[in-house]
Amino acid sequence: KQEVTQIPAALSVPEGENLVLNCSFTDSAIYNLQWFRQDPGKGLTSLLLIQSSQREQTSGRLNASLDKSSGRSTLYIAASQPGDSATYLCAVGGNQFYFGTGTSLTVIP
Amino acid sequence: NAGVTQTPKFQVLKTGQSMTLQCAQDMNHNSMYWYRQDPGMGLRLIYYSASEGTTDKGEVPNGYNVSRLNKREFSLRLESAAPSQTSVYFCASSPMWGNEQFFGPGTRLTVL
Repeated sequence: KQEVTQIPAALSVPEGENLVLNCSFTDSAIYNLQWFRQDPGKGLTSLLLIQSSQREQTSGRLNASLDKSSGRSTLYIAASQPGDSATYLCAVGGNQFYFGTGTSLTVIP
Repeated sequence: NAGVTQTPKFQVLKTGQSMTLQCAQDMNHNSMYWYRQDPGMGLRLIYYSASEGTTDKGEVPNGYNVSRLNKREFSLRLESAAPSQTSVYFCASSPMWGNEQFFGPGTRLTVL
């Protein structure tokens, strides 16, 4: 069974800082990896999808990378803002889909 | 476009009662999914429908049944609710299996 881990569980940074969130997985036979954000009491919002043949994807201030051989993905957030405060989840797609438990990000004004 | 909609938003059941959670999408997606989210466990896949007319078990299917009513709608049924099924339930859809998934707002279910 695929195991997906996100470390740290919580992160607090001052506004303007660049930061990296980590996602690791145990089985490299994946179709894709997707990053989401979840605001308290809300559903999930898709941020980036990386197909297994890709190494990275970018959207605005976000950049996600994928290294299948090492079982890792990172989400880079540039110039963080208080509005970025949320829980960030990664999901690994293979025969099924497996989620990490998320990193709770707080950006302090 | 409304995207993925779920009803109801909140529900309280007594142990042994049954209910159906409804999900609909207006994006003409082929694949639909049901997840549950529990504190400390992350989201876990209950059932999915890779295409209209097919359904398959996910990681935690016990105690649930699903129906892919048509291309738009995918329902989740609890035949005899148990306190262990207290959770937040999310429906999602994607154009095809393996594509980007889009989530509904969730249903918060409490079983007493």
